[in-house]
Amino acid sequence: SQKIEQNSEALNIQEGKTATLTCNYTNYSPAYLQWYRQDPGRGPVFLLLIRENEKEKRKERLKVTFDTTLKQSLFHITASQPADSATYLCALRDNYGQNFVFGPGTRLSVLP
Amino acid sequence: DGGITQSPKYLFRKEGQNVTLSCEQNLNHDAMYWYRQDPGQGLRLIYYSQIVNDFQKGDIAEGYSVSREKKESFPLTVTSAQKNPTAFYLCASSPRRGSTEAFFGQGTRLTVV
Repeated sequence: SQKIEQNSEALNIQEGKTATLTCNYTNYSPAYLQWYRQDPGRGPVFLLLIRENEKEKRKERLKVTFDTTLKQSLFHITASQPADSATYLCALRDNYGQNFVFGPGTRLSVLP
Repeated sequence: DGGITQSPKYLFRKEGQNVTLSCEQNLNHDAMYWYRQDPGQGLRLIYYSQIVNDFQKGDIAEGYSVSREKKESFPLTVTSAQKNPTAFYLCASSPRRGSTEAFFGQGTRLTVV
């Protein structure tokens, strides 16, 4: 069956370190993969999109990689700050479906 | 100030009652979506609409209904047939279905008492 998994429900890291979040999928052939940030009690906010033919995408302190062989995307936040504490969701879409399917999210806590 | 607005933020309903959640956008987007979010689970698609007067069932449409009479409005009704309605409901829009970015509202937390 199709499945999207994100690494451990919660991740704690020290301020200034690089946070790495994973998104693994099974029985999908995504053409697009998105990452969103969600703060408690609020709607998700779009961060980055990466296409299947792109290996890496960067935006300021954020970096996303996409490995279609491993069926995995990695989301990195460098020089992390307490303000980066939130839940991060990955979502993917193939070339046939027109809707994105979301993973369960990883709650990141950056400790001062 | 463009955006997508959901109301109310919190909603309480007695068992057996229907309740309608509001979603309005002024982004001139064609596509609109309703998702449900439960703890530890990803967003699950309830209904989506690509254009006015058209909407399609998502993965978990049973017990819900929608309408799309105006481009900017996509209200969701949670009916008494929905067996487990307590959840966080999110509305989203995108320029068209399949767009690579969705814009979300702030959500409505529905609690059945």
